[in-house]
Amino acid sequence: GAVVSQHPSRVICKSGTSVKIECRSLDFQATTMFWYRQFPKQSLMLMATSNEGSKATYEQGVEKDKFLINHASLTLSTLTVTSAHPEDSSFYICSARPGGHRAGELFFGEGSRLTVL
Amino acid sequence: AQSVTQLDSQVPVFEEAPVELRCNYSSSVSVYLFWYVQYPNQGLQLLLKYLSGSTLVKGINGFVAYFNKSQTSFHLRKPTVHISDTAEYFCAVSDGTRGSRLTFGEGTQLTVNP
Repeated sequence: GAVVSQHPSRVICKSGTSVKIECRSLDFQATTMFWYRQFPKQSLMLMATSNEGSKATYEQGVEKDKFLINHASLTLSTLTVTSAHPEDSSFYICSARPGGHRAGELFFGEGSRLTVL
Repeated sequence: AQSVTQLDSQVPVFEEAPVELRCNYSSSVSVYLFWYVQYPNQGLQLLLKYLSGSTLVKGINGFVAYFNKSQTSFHLRKPTVHISDTAEYFCAVSDGTRGSRLTFGEGTQLTVNP
């Protein structure tokens, strides 16, 4: 099946620093990728839709200046948490949808756990 | 708008017992339905999906789901569970349009006890 890879899987940073998380589709091209945030024991909350070659579409209540998304190629999207604070600590998951016959199914990365001290 | 309700937040069962995880959805259009499994500190893995056709969907690891349009339900079942099935399970719905996003339920923690 399709593979989506996230890096890093875990990151610990100091408050006020910025952290970049990468999401790659390894065996298909993804014009659209999605970034989710998951708090402990809770469901996934969609943060934004990353569109290749254009600006990301953010969900209501998500700060676009804090969570910078770049989708520079058909296989790579990055999420940068700027000036991170302890409340940004969470599990971030990306997903991508290949086109063609597999349209409708999302493939997920392994997730990235961010801990801000 | 779409929504998904997973009726049970936690389901404890004994090993080799049958299990059903319930999911109801609401949507004004035709939908695609999914069940995903999440093991601790990992991303989501697709168990099965309903796009069209037969209302009985077979997935991986022996799981099946039944799409009931009249009851707007998509319950997940397994006749015999194992310890390794212990995980969080998410039901999700999409309207199927290109670029459409998934709406997830709150999740059901399945715990299989020896």
